[in-house]
Parts: sequence; structure tokens; C-alpha cells
Amino acid sequence: GAVVSQHPSWVICKSGTSVKIECRSLDFQATTMFWYRQFPKQSLMLMATSNEGSKATYEQGVEKDKFLINHASLTLSTLTVTSAHPEDSSFYICSASYGPQDGYTFGSGTRLTVV
Amino acid sequence: GEDVEQSLFLSVREGDSSVINCTYTDSSSTYLYWYKQEPGAGLQLLTYIFSNMDMKQDQRLTVLLNKKDKHLSLRIADTQTGDSAIYFCAENWGNNRLAFGKGNQVVVIP
Repeated sequence: GAVVSQHPSWVICKSGTSVKIECRSLDFQATTMFWYRQFPKQSLMLMATSNEGSKATYEQGVEKDKFLINHASLTLSTLTVTSAHPEDSSFYICSASYGPQDGYTFGSGTRLTVV
Repeated sequence: GEDVEQSLFLSVREGDSSVINCTYTDSSSTYLYWYKQEPGAGLQLLTYIFSNMDMKQDQRLTVLLNKKDKHLSLRIADTQTGDSAIYFCAENWGNNRLAFGKGNQVVVIP
């Protein structure tokens, strides 16, 4: 089946530094990937839609300069949290769709802690 | 985004059935999904239902869809301890985006 690999699983960084999270579709090509953020005991909030070869589409209220998305190939999208602050600490999850009838396959998530 | 409503917590004894409910807002959604999330993990697709179906059964899982009321439910038969998790319903909308419910935590008591 469709597999999405996300790395790293967790990362701790200092305030002011940048962190890159990778999302790879392992056995299928994904022209579109999605990035979500999840706070503890809350639902997933869609941050942006990552489009291969073009600019990402950000949801309302998400700072595109803060959360840089690059989708340079059909199997890789990256999310870079720039100049991270403690309020950026969260669980970030990516997903890709093999086809709507197959649902959306999710990565295992990245726990970001900014200290 | 779209608004998907779910209740929050369900406790069930092992071997009993669990029912989780969800309401959604976008009547044009073509697919509705149920996902399972275990602590610290990503989401696992459990099942989905196409919008022109009323019911779908997949082993221990039964999905019921009431399109008129925009109501979706998931029944887990013979609930097992491994079913303890948070369950999210989701609908697809606009450019294949997904809108998630708040999630329902299911705790299975041995």
C-alpha cells in the first residue's frame, strides 16, 4: 500500500533556529502533499497544500514566511519552520493522497519542541 | 475550513461494541473517512465511505452515513484493547483537502 515516511520523528531546537521536516512518498508519486499541525488533545489543523513544482497554498492565518514549504520532486515535500519560537512547539504531520478512494496516507508525525 | 463535529470521550468494555458519531457540513463531500491515531503517532486510515452509500462494513467496522442529516457513525464490534486510540472522522472538500473532527478518544477496559 501507499506509504509516507516523515523525518525526523522528534526534534528539539533552540529559539531562533530553523528546523526542516521531510515528507516522502515511498512507493507512489504525490503531486500534492498536505501539512498539518496538531496541538495536544486537539484535532489536526491544515496548514498548507504542497504542490510539486509550484508554490504552496497556505490556509488562512498560516504565515508562509514562517513555514516554508518546498515540493521539489514528486516524492518529497519539506516543511521548514524558520526562526522557531516556543509557541511553534507542536506535532507536525504530513499526508499525501494516492487517490481519494484510497484515502490520504499520513506520515508518522514530527514532535517539535523549541526551547 | 469546513466544520466537522465529534463527541470527545468513550469508555467501553472489551468485547462490547463501540459507536462513535460525527456530523459534517459539506454536502458536496464525495468521500468521508475514519482515521485512528495512537499516542504520538500519525493517522491510520481505517475505512472510508463514498457519499452515495448508506452503509459500509469492513470486518469489525461498520460505517453508517445519513446524508440528509450529514451524520456519520463508526461502529466497532467486539472492541479489543488494541482499539484504544483517538478516532477522527474527516471529509474531503475543496481541492482534495481534508477537514477533521475534533476526535473521539476511545478507552477499552479489559
